[in-house]
Amino acid sequence: DAMVIQNPRYQVTQFGKPVTLSCSQTLNHNVMYWYQQKSSQAPKLLFHYYDKDFNNEADTPDNFQSRRPNTSFCFLDIRSPGLGDTAMYLCATLGLINSPLHFGNGTRLTVT
Amino acid sequence: AQKITQTQPGMFVQEKEAVTLDCTYDTSDPSYGLFWYKQPSSGEMIFLIYQGSYDQQNATEGRYSLNFQKARKSANLVISASQLGDSAMYFCAMRGVFGTGTSLTVIP
Repeated sequence: DAMVIQNPRYQVTQFGKPVTLSCSQTLNHNVMYWYQQKSSQAPKLLFHYYDKDFNNEADTPDNFQSRRPNTSFCFLDIRSPGLGDTAMYLCATLGLINSPLHFGNGTRLTVT
Repeated sequence: AQKITQTQPGMFVQEKEAVTLDCTYDTSDPSYGLFWYKQPSSGEMIFLIYQGSYDQQNATEGRYSLNFQKARKSANLVISASQLGDSAMYFCAMRGVFGTGTSLTVIP
């Protein structure tokens, strides 16, 4: 009964070839986050949605875009992946303001 | 904006001993919550414990407890009776912002 599901679990793409990662949730949470986590580093917040309100972190590259067509789904689009974009991408949702984040299992992206 | 600082990149603890992982924070919000998460080598992020800024008592969850000192803006995680399965990365977080993490290794 996974509540935040990320697909695919592993993704390999070529340098410069667009890739889309997906996240779905059954929790009906308003807030959804996308994080990038490189090996042995902390998760880095890329952007988040409050409902359809999109909030981009100041240092998120333009190469990274996101879509949230409805409450349940959120997508991360990397328009022209570089080798430095190889990382784990984590999706998380938030219900009440001071409740813990609910994480998916992540997508491990490798750019070759 | 929130800022979380974890100054211990790596910690070692003997099995069955207690260990304290440090976290300091900075925020201008009068009401806030602090979270600790565990991330094993498999990669999933596991919620451990939460402390609200107005909570009167330090949070406890089984072997996990928080040493919350509001005036010092610190929320240190204490793990008692360490187990081999506690070896993992530990992150302190607030409002979606994470600290740099501490890698804990439990030695048999």
